[in-house]
Amino acid sequence: AAGVIQSPRHLIKEKRETATLKCYPIPRHDTVYWYQQGPGQDPQFLISFYEKMQSDKGSIPDRFSAQQFSDYHSELNMSSLELGDSALYFCASSLSFLAGGNEQYFGPGTRLTVT
Amino acid sequence: KQEVTQIPAALSVPEGENLVLNCSFTDSAIYNLQWFRQDPGKGLTSLLLIQSSQREQTSGRLNASLDKSSGRSTLYIAASQPGDSATYLCAVRNYGQNFVFGPGTRLSVLP
Repeated sequence: AAGVIQSPRHLIKEKRETATLKCYPIPRHDTVYWYQQGPGQDPQFLISFYEKMQSDKGSIPDRFSAQQFSDYHSELNMSSLELGDSALYFCASSLSFLAGGNEQYFGPGTRLTVT
Repeated sequence: KQEVTQIPAALSVPEGENLVLNCSFTDSAIYNLQWFRQDPGKGLTSLLLIQSSQREQTSGRLNASLDKSSGRSTLYIAASQPGDSATYLCAVRNYGQNFVFGPGTRLSVLP
């Protein structure tokens, strides 16, 4: 069965650079979630989208932005990168509550290292 | 605001033992609860999902229970194996919201 795809899997950037992470949800899933997991930390919710609209917002810095496109894939844009942004970034997808969705399926993550 | 805690933070057991991992949450109005496994530096593998109307779910050697009224869930692992060594994360989802994760329990099963 198709899973959530994230690209790239690994990314190395320098401070103050920008980065774009991509997430391709499971086919027919209309909701995408982004999580950040710092070293030794549990995953923290950043932002979610349903039908291309932002549905919920968590602890996402103002330097980050995200969007969901017409094909339901999502991109997380990160600017003015800081050392503290080094983390594993997970994307998850699900069907919406309205469509009877209840389980989030997680991608393998993108490991971002800021030097 | 939902808060999730997990006890113990770390656990080391000899192979073959049965063990219990605990998860507690503060807001009992949950939609569902999910247990994940995470190997070092890797992604999240879903183990069991329990809906708010359910009391337990089983998959192979794993059994997860849910007591909403007391805000608790337990993950029972039978006949532990070295391959079970990983961090186990509990995540709770309230209606219309995202998952809130616990800090995890780091399990080591010794051969």
